[in-house]
Amino acid sequence: QSVLTQPPSVSGAPGQRVTISCTGSSSNIGAGYDVHWYQQLPGTAPQLLICRNNNRPSGVPDRFSGSKSGTSASLAITGLQAEDEADYYCQSYDSSLSGSVFGGGTKLTVL
Amino acid sequence: QVQLVQSGSELKKPGASVKVSCKASGYTFTGYTMYWVRQAPGQGLECMGWINTNTGNPTYAQDFTGRFVFSLDTSVNTAYLQISSLKAEDTAVYYCARRRGTTKTEAYSDYWGQGTLVTVSS
Repeated sequence: QSVLTQPPSVSGAPGQRVTISCTGSSSNIGAGYDVHWYQQLPGTAPQLLICRNNNRPSGVPDRFSGSKSGTSASLAITGLQAEDEADYYCQSYDSSLSGSVFGGGTKLTVL
Repeated sequence: QVQLVQSGSELKKPGASVKVSCKASGYTFTGYTMYWVRQAPGQGLECMGWINTNTGNPTYAQDFTGRFVFSLDTSVNTAYLQISSLKAEDTAVYYCARRRGTTKTEAYSDYWGQGTLVTVSS
């Protein structure tokens, strides 16, 4: 059971907008710690998608955006493309565990 | 460019040990802490801990104490993960990842190794 809760799966048609939630608690997201997002394409290593809640590293399309409020964070993907089909993970720091924690991951299917 | 290149897949018997390497290039190795992350088959990512590449001081997550050891050889810009007394449940892909962020509370990983599959089977 992950400390950060994500929906197991989401789906959307090409061109649509989807969001992936990441729900934490007062010892992680709710404590004000940053949330980061990673994309893992099938059979590959994770790649940084969003850092520090809403910052896109160089090379990440602006179709991807992050937000945070209270004990939750969200990743939004607009203009969905087939190449976006992947697993997505959120990450934050947890003070109870004194370490970095990941969400359980969300599989995005492009219909 | 920044690269983290890990050693190849390993097949080990229960009770054996394994050492995974992660060779860094394209940046100052001792300037960035290195994370280790585990991904069991079909499962999510687990942070195993990290090692301060400047001091060599390791920090282990709660579930990764005892049989897991992080080490360095700064002369060849390489981090290592050693797992002893291997069990079937250690079967997973192990990733090294460079840590960014000034403090551990704001840290994230900007570059990842390609992963090393460790299979434990009799």
